[in-house]
Amino acid sequence: DAKTTQPPSMDCAEGRAANLPCNHSTISGNEYVYWYRQIHSQGPQYIIHGLKNNETNEMASLIITEDRKSSTLILPHATLRDTAVYYCIVRVENTDKLIFGTGTRLQVFP
Amino acid sequence: NAGVMQNPRHLVRRRGQEARLRCSPMKGHSHVYWYRQLPEEGLKFMVYLQKENIIDESGMPKERFSAEFPKEGPSILRIQQVVRGDSAAYFCASSPLRAQNIQYFGAGTRLSVL
Repeated sequence: DAKTTQPPSMDCAEGRAANLPCNHSTISGNEYVYWYRQIHSQGPQYIIHGLKNNETNEMASLIITEDRKSSTLILPHATLRDTAVYYCIVRVENTDKLIFGTGTRLQVFP
Repeated sequence: NAGVMQNPRHLVRRRGQEARLRCSPMKGHSHVYWYRQLPEEGLKFMVYLQKENIIDESGMPKERFSAEFPKEGPSILRIQQVVRGDSAAYFCASSPLRAQNIQYFGAGTRLSVL
């Protein structure tokens, strides 16, 4: 699976958009970009995934650059409950294991 | 629809004892994955099982660790003769047959070895 690079930490004011970047310059054509998050002491939670088109669901939006070498997870209106470690993972669809990096620790403040 | 259930949530063992961690996947899910998270680190894949079969155990330590997912009942991760370095959070995830790419995680079992 392709290696991903994320900033170790970010801050965001409550109510503002949180934009979390991820670099995956060695991604191959059949690898998807997945985002999970882990709120303190809980199990990881799936957020969203995509291949090359931008995606949106009830939790977030995923913007993937045209060359697919980077992506951004957008939480449109961050709340205190969005404080968590966010993991960007690239993998081929329907493969088994997820390879977690160190992620980005997002702190949402009042 | 209940989520992935793991028990116990906390487990304390002395060095040399055995630890058994249980995972009941979501209803209708036939794929189970185990991950380990050491303090202040990311999750590391351990093993992937389908009913009665181990599909990928590339992340399992060669000794003392074993996993099973029987036809009936929960998946079990078993650690024999635990050592202090086994202290970690162990997470189980499951996925449905037709969507293996999204994994749903349980709350984890926190193992402390004294």
